[in-house]
Amino acid sequence: SQQGEEDPQALSIQEGENATMNCSYKTSINNLQWYRQNSGRGLVHLILIRSNEREKHSGRLRVTLDTSKKSSSLLITASRAADTASYFCATPLYSGGGADGLTFGKGTHLIIQP
Amino acid sequence: SAVISQKPSRDICQRGTSLTIQCQVDSQVTMMFWYRQQPGQSLTLIATANQGSEATYESGFVIDKFPISRPNLTFSTLTVSNMSPEDSSIYLCSAADTGELFFGEGSRLTVL
Repeated sequence: SQQGEEDPQALSIQEGENATMNCSYKTSINNLQWYRQNSGRGLVHLILIRSNEREKHSGRLRVTLDTSKKSSSLLITASRAADTASYFCATPLYSGGGADGLTFGKGTHLIIQP
Repeated sequence: SAVISQKPSRDICQRGTSLTIQCQVDSQVTMMFWYRQQPGQSLTLIATANQGSEATYESGFVIDKFPISRPNLTFSTLTVSNMSPEDSSIYLCSAADTGELFFGEGSRLTVL
């Protein structure tokens, strides 16, 4: 069953603005990952945040994790047209962690208007 | 990071036929997985491809419908058997490397 739930399901913003997507999950995890998918192609791994981390940065991406609220957020700053894609959060399917398959949320479809 | 190649990238198939998708990883990986993404939906794990033994299937997926092979640490195949239009999806191969999961470009199947 899917554990992660992203919101919003769709987001449209102007180029240059910041985009924030949220993900909630149900059970305890030891890590959470964010992926991007362009037009039904393969997924690109963006960032992994471990349960003992509260925030992580990678370029224009900032991910936060609040294990007490079982939620994570992905912030894309200074958005570009190329950021248009679907974004998924994913958590380990079982409790084993990194070697497990993942369960994915339904995704947020982000559209950057030029 | 692992680089994953899948083929075919897309195919149009007739109802009742079977198709085998190949997945090649550029390095040895411990874990390989197969996912399905139905139109407009998120990804669902079909099975874990185990090297040298039978795949481990998730609830709702069975070996007769989705036989999987994994003869070594860099290669796996997924067969979609006796296809129906409901099997029209993107099928993605993935590999776990250092705790992160990397994906191939996917194989988009359309069943008529």
